[in-house]
Amino acid sequence: GNSVTQMEGPVTLSEEAFLTINCTYTATGYPSLFWYVQYPGEGLQLLLKATKADDKGSNKGFEATYRKETTSFHLEKGSVQVSDSAVYFCALASSGSARQLTFGSGTQLTVLP
Amino acid sequence: EPEVTQTPSHQVTQMGQEVILRCVPISNHLYFYWYRQILGQKVEFLVSFYNNEISEKSEIFDDQFSVERPDGSNFTLKIRSTKLEDSAMYFCASRAMPSYEQYFGPGTRLTVT
Repeated sequence: GNSVTQMEGPVTLSEEAFLTINCTYTATGYPSLFWYVQYPGEGLQLLLKATKADDKGSNKGFEATYRKETTSFHLEKGSVQVSDSAVYFCALASSGSARQLTFGSGTQLTVLP
Repeated sequence: EPEVTQTPSHQVTQMGQEVILRCVPISNHLYFYWYRQILGQKVEFLVSFYNNEISEKSEIFDDQFSVERPDGSNFTLKIRSTKLEDSAMYFCASRAMPSYEQYFGPGTRLTVT
């Protein structure tokens, strides 16, 4: 079955530091890959996506590249801000018609001023 | 911007009672989902719903769970006889066709005592 393995947290960084959160996956077929973010007390928000190999998703300074050869989709940001403090979830959508999401365990990011 | 809404935001119930969690998906979306997140754990897929029937369900979605779209706007999750281990945050999501992107509601926190 499908699975997502995500770098364990928590991760604590100083403002303007470089962020990497590792994500690898196992899937049959050709999944789509996503990063979702959950701010304290809120639901899940789609941060970025990539639907095929070598696609780069980007949003709000965050980037992730769909690497089929390493089955990875690592999240990066060059300079984090205090407002980026949240839980980040890597997820894949199955290639079937329902496209239900399989999530990683989430990584808590805290950015200190 | 259209969004998925969920009610109530928090539901407390006694073990053995029935609960109904309600969701209003984005109006032109055709695929609907329920996920749950037990505190401190992964977000887990429960069920997907399309064209007025279940399209996929997980092992978690046993006979005590059911879903319904009673009218043109609401999408409900019913738990017939709640157990302590049903305590979790329940998220509704919806997706337009043929998009890969799922949009999540803010969640309902269910507490079973």
